[in-house]
Amino acid sequence: IAGITQAPTSQILAAGRRMTLRCTQDMRHNAMYWYRQDLGLGLRLIHYSNTAGTTGKGEVPDGYSVSRANTDDFPLTLASAVPSQTSVYFCASSEGQGGGEAFFGQGTRLTVV
Amino acid sequence: GQNIDQPTEMTATEGAIVQINCTYQTSGFNGLFWYQQHAGEAPTFLSYNVLDGLEEKGRFSSFLSRSKGYSYLLLKELQMKDSASYLCAATDSNYQLIWGAGTKLIIKP
Repeated sequence: IAGITQAPTSQILAAGRRMTLRCTQDMRHNAMYWYRQDLGLGLRLIHYSNTAGTTGKGEVPDGYSVSRANTDDFPLTLASAVPSQTSVYFCASSEGQGGGEAFFGQGTRLTVV
Repeated sequence: GQNIDQPTEMTATEGAIVQINCTYQTSGFNGLFWYQQHAGEAPTFLSYNVLDGLEEKGRFSSFLSRSKGYSYLLLKELQMKDSASYLCAATDSNYQLIWGAGTKLIIKP
């Protein structure tokens, strides 16, 4: 089934550790996004990529990095996790830049202790 | 600044109609989305409006007024499975989505 897959689905991480959240899509979408969702707040964009080989910073990029080596994969790395990065992380993709329906992965629930 | 406002929570009765409002302020505008998100799940697309007017899709309809910076989602013949959060998102001049915090809809029998 075509779609977007995230791994892991949940993780408890010690503060200061490095962690990479994986995201893979098989819809050949050009644009991909990483959001975090916190209680009472809307989805906040961390980083995005409009096409393979390019990335951009969203609203809350500090402490996170991304890469887009190919169309399908868009990993998100926390270099040194802090408790404020405890959140639910969603990866999403769309055909084009900001346009059209965005498809979301099932989310990664990350707890930094 | 950019801002999306929608009510935090609404309650409605099974079989009834409910309207969820959304107002937006963005630098430029390239369309408005509504998504549904059940607890513990990912958001799923419901509707997209870029022109003024009403878009109907089964039990769900979405309305947009660009001059007023206003949209609403109308849900008819409510079912228990409609209990979810409804997210409003506007696309700004850079084609980035600006998201509201979501409206939690509680359906009572």
